[in-house]
Amino acid sequence: EAGVAQSPRYKIIEKRQSVAFWCNPISGHATLYWYQQILGQGPKLLIQFQNNGVVDDSQLPKDRFSAERLKGVDSTLKIQPAKLEDSAVYLCASSLVPGVYNEQFFGPGTRLTVL
Amino acid sequence: AQSVAQPEDQVNVAEGNPLTVKCTYSVSGNPYLFWYVQYPNRGLQFLLKYITGDNLVKGSYGFEAEFNKSQTSFHLKKPSALVSDSALYFCAVRDFNYGQNFVFGPGTRLSVLP
Repeated sequence: EAGVAQSPRYKIIEKRQSVAFWCNPISGHATLYWYQQILGQGPKLLIQFQNNGVVDDSQLPKDRFSAERLKGVDSTLKIQPAKLEDSAVYLCASSLVPGVYNEQFFGPGTRLTVL
Repeated sequence: AQSVAQPEDQVNVAEGNPLTVKCTYSVSGNPYLFWYVQYPNRGLQFLLKYITGDNLVKGSYGFEAEFNKSQTSFHLKKPSALVSDSALYFCAVRDFNYGQNFVFGPGTRLSVLP
């Protein structure tokens, strides 16, 4: 079974530029998550999708971050404009169904450096 | 609100010795507890979870964890450490009263010395 795919793996941009990350979850997984992991910290949830609908985006900085999952499969996370404090690893995860019992499967992440 | 603490930033253990990585949590309802491991340049991998039932949970790669409700702890253990266990370990909690979202601890770096 293929895992969660993410691209690019690394990205370096100047502040105020825009950037986009792509995620393809495990086939058949209805729930998709984007996390931000700042160096030395645990991952923090940014947004959760159930199929193509947003379940929770309460921690997404909506003035600069946006995400979509138009066909209920792959997803894109965008930052525009980027700030220095956005430097982090962005992790995508998926689970077969939502629910507190179910573990999530994580992709390798995209490491973003904002200069 | 739910929270997770991992009181040790770094744990060093000699190969072959038992290891423990500590985790304490705070939730308002029933906790659902998870351990994940992260190797360099890779995403998090699921190790084990506690939902209900037996307080001792067994997981992948010989790891186990003990749920202690009175101490609000969920420590990760392994009887005999391997050098390949060296990685970053994250404890996470979900609280049914607060939906499905994980709250992760800050992580503990485990170094197993040959």
